[in-house]
Amino acid sequence: ETGVTQTPRHLVMGMTNKKSLKCEQHLGHNAMYWYKQSAKKPLELMFVYNFKEQTENNSVPSRFSPECPNSSHLFLHLHTLQPEDSALYLCASSQDSGSTGELFFGEGSRLTVL
Amino acid sequence: EDQVTQSPEALRLQEGESSSLNCSYTVSGLRGLFWYRQDPGKGPEFLFTLYSAGEEKEKERLKATLTKKESFLHITAPKPEDSATYLCAVQASGGSYIPTFGRGTSLIVHP
Repeated sequence: ETGVTQTPRHLVMGMTNKKSLKCEQHLGHNAMYWYKQSAKKPLELMFVYNFKEQTENNSVPSRFSPECPNSSHLFLHLHTLQPEDSALYLCASSQDSGSTGELFFGEGSRLTVL
Repeated sequence: EDQVTQSPEALRLQEGESSSLNCSYTVSGLRGLFWYRQDPGKGPEFLFTLYSAGEEKEKERLKATLTKKESFLHITAPKPEDSATYLCAVQASGGSYIPTFGRGTSLIVHP
């Protein structure tokens, strides 16, 4: 596989469920990102990992918990979400977070919270 | 605070009808400006990077230009397959290098 792969592509969960989103990149990059995309809003940065270390946490509620076990994998653990958290969650990677703004995105995980 | 404003919000064109999308920005020192294309239900796909005023980049029917305050994405003789949302992002030269995105322009090209 090549590029950035996200699973699952679609997820429906209740407010009391716990689920996880997974992202894997095959580009040899050192930085990985989680973005939230809601209708009519700009892409909203959530978290950045550079060489497995979290370098940005954009005031994200604690019901979202990221995990980056290595430079190729990124997870977003979800628990006790709210309906307003329904959105497209995009994972991206880049060579590193300090040099380039050229991001490579996955196809996203469409999350619906009931 | 870095700001990126894209206009128009939506644009409908007939096939072959050339037009331009605008991205105006406010940033304390521009490191780079980026254009992305996003198809429905998919992640954004990188198109161009522009670094300095006067720079231009081309790819098929798309040409991106940059001034000190804004960037244009010119679409020449568009085809229906050019229909997508086009996103602009800017990267500042100081502080965090994480790009700031605009809301995008939704382009529909009718056959």
